[in-house]
Amino acid sequence: AQSVAQPEDQVNVAEGNPLTVKCTYSVSGNPYLFWYVQYPNRGLQFLLKYITGDNLVKGSYGFEAEFNKSQTSFHLKKPSALVSDSALYFCAVSGNSGYSTLTFGKGTMLLVSP
Amino acid sequence: GAVVSQHPSWVICKSGTSVKIECRSLDFQATTMFWYRQFPKQSLMLMATSNEGSKATYEQGVEKDKFLINHASLTLSTLTVTSAHPEDSSFYICSARGGAGQGETQYFGPGTRLLVL
Repeated sequence: AQSVAQPEDQVNVAEGNPLTVKCTYSVSGNPYLFWYVQYPNRGLQFLLKYITGDNLVKGSYGFEAEFNKSQTSFHLKKPSALVSDSALYFCAVSGNSGYSTLTFGKGTMLLVSP
Repeated sequence: GAVVSQHPSWVICKSGTSVKIECRSLDFQATTMFWYRQFPKQSLMLMATSNEGSKATYEQGVEKDKFLINHASLTLSTLTVTSAHPEDSSFYICSARGGAGQGETQYFGPGTRLLVL
């Protein structure tokens, strides 16, 4: 069975500072990894994904994530946080073909203070 | 591109009535659509997966007679909550996958807030 762990319920960072939201996963075969962001009372917006190739993936709104196979991690990062980045972030994984179902982490609330 | 809409965005209904939620992929053909349920401050719980033209596959514990899913076309799926009760109150989110160039990424609708009185 596949699973995702987001160890932090909340991450606090000051505007302008770098941010990291952690994610580790467990899946059979090659992982397909995704990050989504959810603003209050809204659906999920796709940020980025890792399928294959370069371990550093760049996505929307200046976010990037680094795939680390040995540590089974896919941490989300941004060099300089904005107050508008404050939202709920979900990491998700699907296995093998990538067309299997997505398994989500429990989410991490990111709060960026002015 | 890759826009998914949901209608209505929120609905309030009386206990015992049925509610239909529509999910549309606006600019791509969705071979597969998914329905999720999300409780406050919790992650998404997959309810069912539907492929166009075939019956939906429900996750364990989800009542198929309670949550009717229809995926009649490549751009539309509907979720009907039959005989809704207060415990069905939740945030329902659909997602869609498929179409040329979209690959394995699921794109999500904005969600529907259901309140059953």
